[in-house]
Amino acid sequence: QKEVEQNSGPLSVPEGAIASLNCTYSDRGSQSFFWYRQYSGKSPELIMSIYSNGDKEDGRFTAQLNKASQYVSLLIRDSQPSDSATYLCAVIEVGTYKYIFGTGTRLKVLA
Amino acid sequence: GAVVSQHPSWVICKSGTSVKIECRSLDFQATTMFWYRQFPKQSLMLMATSNEGSKATYEQGVEKDKFLINHASLTLSTLTVTSAHPEDSSFYICSASPRQGARGTDTQYFGPGTRLTVL
Repeated sequence: QKEVEQNSGPLSVPEGAIASLNCTYSDRGSQSFFWYRQYSGKSPELIMSIYSNGDKEDGRFTAQLNKASQYVSLLIRDSQPSDSATYLCAVIEVGTYKYIFGTGTRLKVLA
Repeated sequence: GAVVSQHPSWVICKSGTSVKIECRSLDFQATTMFWYRQFPKQSLMLMATSNEGSKATYEQGVEKDKFLINHASLTLSTLTVTSAHPEDSSFYICSASPRQGARGTDTQYFGPGTRLTVL
C-alpha cells in the first residue's frame, strides 16, 4: 500500500514565525511532489511542485525534498493569519499519474 | 495561467434526479482530468480518471453507472450524477493536467468545486 503521511495537527504558530510542515512517502520510486493549500470549503490550490533533492523557494514558501529519507517538507516564513488552512502533500503514483494525498496538516497562525 | 473552471458552483436537487457538472481547462489542453469527492473534514477521494476520447477509469468502489464521466475534448470533462440520493451530497472537485510526460506537466490544477445537496 503506497502511502503519504502527514501530521494532522493542528499546528499552531504565532504570526511572523516559520511554520514547518512535513510529509513522508512510502514509494521509493516517486519522482513528483506537490504542496497544496486548502481553505475550509474551498478546493486545493497549488503552492509548489518539487522534483529534485534540495530546496526550492518561491516567495515566503520553501519546499525541501530528500528522496533518500523519503520526506518532503514545506516551510512558510513570516506566517500570516491568512496562511491558516489545511496543507496537503501529494505524490504522484509511479506509472499512473494519479496523486496520492496525505491527510493534510491543519495550520493555525495566531495573530 | 493554468485555470480550471467548474459549473455549477453549487446545486440543490431532488432525490432521483440527475445532475451534470462541467469541468473546463481555460488556458491549457488537459490530456487527463480527475474527479474527486470530499466529505466534510475528510481528505479528497479520487473517484475516476478520464483521458480525452477514451473511457474513464473508476476507482474501486465507485459505481460507473451512477457517476457518468465524459471527456469529450481536451478542455472539457463532465460528471453526471444519475438518480442522485441524499448520500451523494458532497463537494465534487475536478482537476486537470496537461500530462505531457515531462516534469511540470504532471501537475494537477483544481477547479473551484461544486457543492451538491440532494434533498
